[in-house]
Amino acid sequence: SAVISQKPSRDICQRGTSLTIQCQVDSQVTMMFWYRQQPGQSLTLIATANQGSEATYESGFVIDKFPISRPNLTFSTLTVSNMSPEDSSIYLCSVRVSPFTGELFFGEGSRLTVL
Amino acid sequence: QKEVEQNSGPLSVPEGAIASLNCTYSDRVSQSFFWYRQYSGKSPELIMSIYSNGDKEDGRFTAQLNKASQYVSLLIRDSQPSDSATYLCAVNSGGSNYKLTFGKGTLLTVNP
Repeated sequence: SAVISQKPSRDICQRGTSLTIQCQVDSQVTMMFWYRQQPGQSLTLIATANQGSEATYESGFVIDKFPISRPNLTFSTLTVSNMSPEDSSIYLCSVRVSPFTGELFFGEGSRLTVL
Repeated sequence: QKEVEQNSGPLSVPEGAIASLNCTYSDRVSQSFFWYRQYSGKSPELIMSIYSNGDKEDGRFTAQLNKASQYVSLLIRDSQPSDSATYLCAVNSGGSNYKLTFGKGTLLTVNP
């Protein structure tokens, strides 16, 4: 596994503002992903964070709303832009450590509340 | 659309009993299957992975996979109150990206 640190762990934001979530891993990992978990729901993949290139977004998620950076193999950021109350959610960074299995490990999550 | 279905529960079992959690998936080419445990307010924690048909045991946990029926289950023996959590089934359909699709989870309550 890996130690995955996310910050902030929680925040309360005003409508229309943007917030950047950071994800730091204690070792180099092959793949990093960003998930969203809305209240009472399961996890939905937002995008795959690609090292050194643009992220790959899932259907329903766009770069203008969720810009992602991954400058190296241990760090990524997710920005939630122009927030609305519907963006209130837990945002989770996850990593794939082994190139031989599909196991994903998750950070502690960032709980955002948009007023 | 690839789907992973789970009974949302809640599933309530007495302490010491066997808890059985079930999951079905729609993508027949799925290759890897995972069970995550999520305590309230916490992030998902990987507890089991299974890749081939049959049973895989790890302590009190047994994962069962039947690819022909597109069915994966998790058995928890000697259930403890500390097992009370939401259990998420996740499926990977292969390819180089290894994205996981998650079910909505089953809430398990183990009563002392």
